[in-house]
Amino acid sequence: ETGVTQSPTHLIKTRGQQVTLRCSSQSGHNTVSWYQQALGQGPQFIFQYYREEENGRGNFPPRFSGLQFPNYSSELNVNALELDDSALYLCASSPRQVALPEAFFGQGTRLTVV
Amino acid sequence: AQSVSQHNHHVILSEAASLELGCNYSYGGTVNLFWYVQYPGQHLQLLLKYFSGDPLVKGIKGFEAEFIKSKFSFNLRKPSVQWSDTAEYFCAVNARNNAGNMLTFGGGTRLMVKP
Repeated sequence: ETGVTQSPTHLIKTRGQQVTLRCSSQSGHNTVSWYQQALGQGPQFIFQYYREEENGRGNFPPRFSGLQFPNYSSELNVNALELDDSALYLCASSPRQVALPEAFFGQGTRLTVV
Repeated sequence: AQSVSQHNHHVILSEAASLELGCNYSYGGTVNLFWYVQYPGQHLQLLLKYFSGDPLVKGIKGFEAEFIKSKFSFNLRKPSVQWSDTAEYFCAVNARNNAGNMLTFGGGTRLMVKP
C-alpha cells in the first residue's frame, strides 16, 4: 500500500451534476497531483497542488478545480459533468524534492457519468 | 510540451520468455523517466526510475530499463517473465525542472503472460 487513500471508490453521477473527489496524501508528502485515466488510456495530468495553491495544470477546462488543505489532503471538483468525464481519477502524492519526484498513487475513484 | 509513445498496446508471452516494451518520449530538455505497473485491481506502482548517471537502471521484480538519449527511448526489459507479471505497464516522463509529480504518461502496454 502507498498510504494514499481516495474516496469514494466508485461513484455514479448524472450529466450536468457536480462531483467532489477526495484524497489523503501519504504522511510527509506535501505535493498532490490529480490524474484522469480514461478506459484503455494512460493517466493524464489534471493539476498539482503545493502549499494549498495550484502550481501546475494540464489541458483540462476550468470546470475541473481543486483544493489542498493545511494537512495536505486534497479535493478534485468537477462541475457540469459530461459523459466523457467518465474515468478513473487518480491522486498521487510526493515530497517536494526536485531530485526525487517519485509519485505514490492511490487506488483511484471510478466515476461514471450517465 | 512532452509526449510519450508506447508502441505495443497488447503483448502476450509465455512464461520464461523475454520481455521488451518500447517507450519513446518527445521533449527538448532534460527529463526524468519512469516505468509504472498496474496489476489488476491495484494502484499504480513504481517499477524503476532514471534521473541521471548509469543509463541502465534496475528496478524491482527483475525489471530493468535502458535510457538511450540519442533515441529518446527508455525501453523496459525482463529476461524471463512470470505469470505474476501480467499487468499494464506505463512509461512516464517529467521535465527535470518540474518539482513534484507532473507526469506525462504513455498509453500503456497490457501484458498477458500465459502459464
